[in-house]
Amino acid sequence: GDSVTQMEGPVTLSEEAFLTINCTYTATGYPSLFWYVQYPGEGLQLLLKATKADDKGSNKGFEATYRKETTSFHLEKGSVQVSDSAVYFCALLERNTPLVFGKGTRLSVIA
Amino acid sequence: SQTIHQWPATLVQPVGSPLSLECTVEGTSNPNLYWYRQAAGRGLQLLFYSVGIGQISSEVPQNLSASRPQDRQFILSSKKLLLSDSGFYLCAWSRQGAADTQYFGPGTRLTVL
Repeated sequence: GDSVTQMEGPVTLSEEAFLTINCTYTATGYPSLFWYVQYPGEGLQLLLKATKADDKGSNKGFEATYRKETTSFHLEKGSVQVSDSAVYFCALLERNTPLVFGKGTRLSVIA
Repeated sequence: SQTIHQWPATLVQPVGSPLSLECTVEGTSNPNLYWYRQAAGRGLQLLFYSVGIGQISSEVPQNLSASRPQDRQFILSSKKLLLSDSGFYLCAWSRQGAADTQYFGPGTRLTVL
């Protein structure tokens, strides 16, 4: 079945550092790929998405590129801020099936 | 624009008591609706999803149940809570048809004592 594997956290970075959170997936078809972010005590917010190979999703300085050849959707940001501290979830969605989530990666950014 | 509401925001219940969590969506029709649970320090577990009124699919057998009495209302229930039911419950919606983005509510923090 479909699955998503994220790098295990927690990830601790200093402010203005470069961020990469790895995400790889296994799917039978051609899924859409998502990154969601969860701030402490809140629900999940859609951060960005990509619906086909080579698409790049971007939002709030975060980017991820849908790489079919490596089945990956790594999240990157050039310069993180303390306000980016949160849990990040990678997810995939195929037609007529529920969303499949990774286990989440906790990011802590220190000033 | 669409909005999704959940209540209550927090709930503390004794073991063996009943549960009712409510989720409503505004600004869209005939959405797909979902209930997830997030245990402390863990990922998301899909509990139920619904593609229409009265249509509920259960992903994990447990002492919880779900109902969809109206198009944009989704209710999570239990007759007798267990300690293991503690967690953060999230409702989500998506548009019908082709695979589409899910949008999440603010969540309900349930503590069973």
